[in-house]
Amino acid sequence: AQRVTQPEKLLSVFKGAPVELKCNYSYSGSPELFWYVQYSRQRLQLLLRHISRESIKGFTADLNKGETSFHLKKPFAQEEDSAMYYCALEADSGGSNYKLTFGKGTLLTVNP
Amino acid sequence: DAGITQSPRYKITETGRQVTLMCHQTWSHSYMFWYRQDLGHGLRLIYYSAAADITDKGEVPDGYVVSRSKTENFPLTLESATRSQTSVYFCATTGTASNEQFFGPGTRLTVL
Repeated sequence: AQRVTQPEKLLSVFKGAPVELKCNYSYSGSPELFWYVQYSRQRLQLLLRHISRESIKGFTADLNKGETSFHLKKPFAQEEDSAMYYCALEADSGGSNYKLTFGKGTLLTVNP
Repeated sequence: DAGITQSPRYKITETGRQVTLMCHQTWSHSYMFWYRQDLGHGLRLIYYSAAADITDKGEVPDGYVVSRSKTENFPLTLESATRSQTSVYFCATTGTASNEQFFGPGTRLTVL
C-alpha cells in the first residue's frame, strides 16, 4: 500500500525567506504526485502536479524517484502563502480509480 | 468551484442518530469521493464512486454508507453517529479528462 509522509506539522518562516515543505512517499509503482493547498476559509484546491512541471504562485516541486520525495519549494515566501499544504499520491495514474492518498499536511505560516 | 456543493455546512447531532451529508456536482463527472479531515490525520478516503450505482470502500469506511443513484449526487450516511465521527467531511469529484480533484466546501459535523 502507498504512503505519503509530511514530516512537519507546522512550519513558520518570515516573509521573503525561502520555504521548503517536505514530502516523501512509499510506493513501488509509477505514482503521480500532487500538492493541494487549503487557504483559510477556502476549499482545498490543486496547487501543482509533478507531470506538469510548472511553477504556480512561485512554487515548484520536483519528483525525485531515487529519494522518493516531492518537496515543495518557494524562494521568497509571501504572507498570502500561509495555508495548509497537503502532498498527495495517485497510484498508477488513472488506473487506480483516481484515488488519492494524502499526507497529514503541513501548516505554513509566513510572518511579516 | 460552484460546480460542487455540500449540505449542510454545519451539523450538530447526538450519538446514535442517523445523519446524511449531501454532495452535489453539476459537471457530470464520473468519479466522486468522500474524505474526512482530522487534525493529525490529514485527509482520509471514506468511500468513492466511479459512476452511478458503482461505489467502493476507501481507507476508513466503517460506520458509513454511501449511495449513488444519480451521477450528480453522492450522499454519505452515518447510520448511528459516534463521537469519533466528529470531523470535517469533504466531497470531491474528478473527470477522466483530468485527474485533478475538485473539492466541495466541507461539512463540519459535531457528534455530542
